[in-house]
Amino acid sequence: DVVMTQSPLSLPVTLGQPASISCRSSQSLVHSDGNSYLNWFQQRPGQSPRRLIYKVSNRDSGVPDRFSGSGSGTDFTLKISRVEAEDVGVYYCMQSTHWPNTFGQGTKLEIK
Amino acid sequence: EVQLVESGGGLVQPGGSLRLSCAASGFTFSSYSMSWVRQAPGKGLEWVAYIKQDGSENYYVDSVKGRFTISRDNAKNSLYLQMNSLRAEDTAVYFCARYRQLDYWGQGTLVTVSS
Repeated sequence: DVVMTQSPLSLPVTLGQPASISCRSSQSLVHSDGNSYLNWFQQRPGQSPRRLIYKVSNRDSGVPDRFSGSGSGTDFTLKISRVEAEDVGVYYCMQSTHWPNTFGQGTKLEIK
Repeated sequence: EVQLVESGGGLVQPGGSLRLSCAASGFTFSSYSMSWVRQAPGKGLEWVAYIKQDGSENYYVDSVKGRFTISRDNAKNSLYLQMNSLRAEDTAVYFCARYRQLDYWGQGTLVTVSS
């Protein structure tokens, strides 16, 4: 199975400051169709997960533009340009290029 | 508006069975593949199972192969997860989600396996 490794696992951030989460895969996420199926999810406390980003860098509808995804191959990043209070929660990367889908361990973002 | 509503969770003894359901609305259910994902208490997310739009292909995480069966009824806009030979480590909130890339999620249903 593809192992997804996130860092850091805990991310204290000051309101208004940027934040960055790294996600590395144990093998390339480039699919035979040329796409890389790397997704990012946000799970706020007490809520279901919500997808933020799909295929590395595409924002889902309704996701603020302060969220951005980048990367290629085995190395991916989720960036929040200016953290707001509503961004508190756990962030997960997930690959869906290879079977089975696999998630990273999660990164807990909190306000300093 | 896309809605996914899970049901069927509860307390079950080790070795027992449970069938989860997910009622879908707000989209053409038969046009989308579907997935189940679980989250053990205080833990991260684990993808569990996937079914293609017409039910012709299924995939499972190794830990549930041979015990869990994913199915769907497109006429009823419903997704199912039949769980047999349940173990304590299957205790989790189970979410249904649309598509392999999990673009929409339900609110989840809690399954507790304990004697």
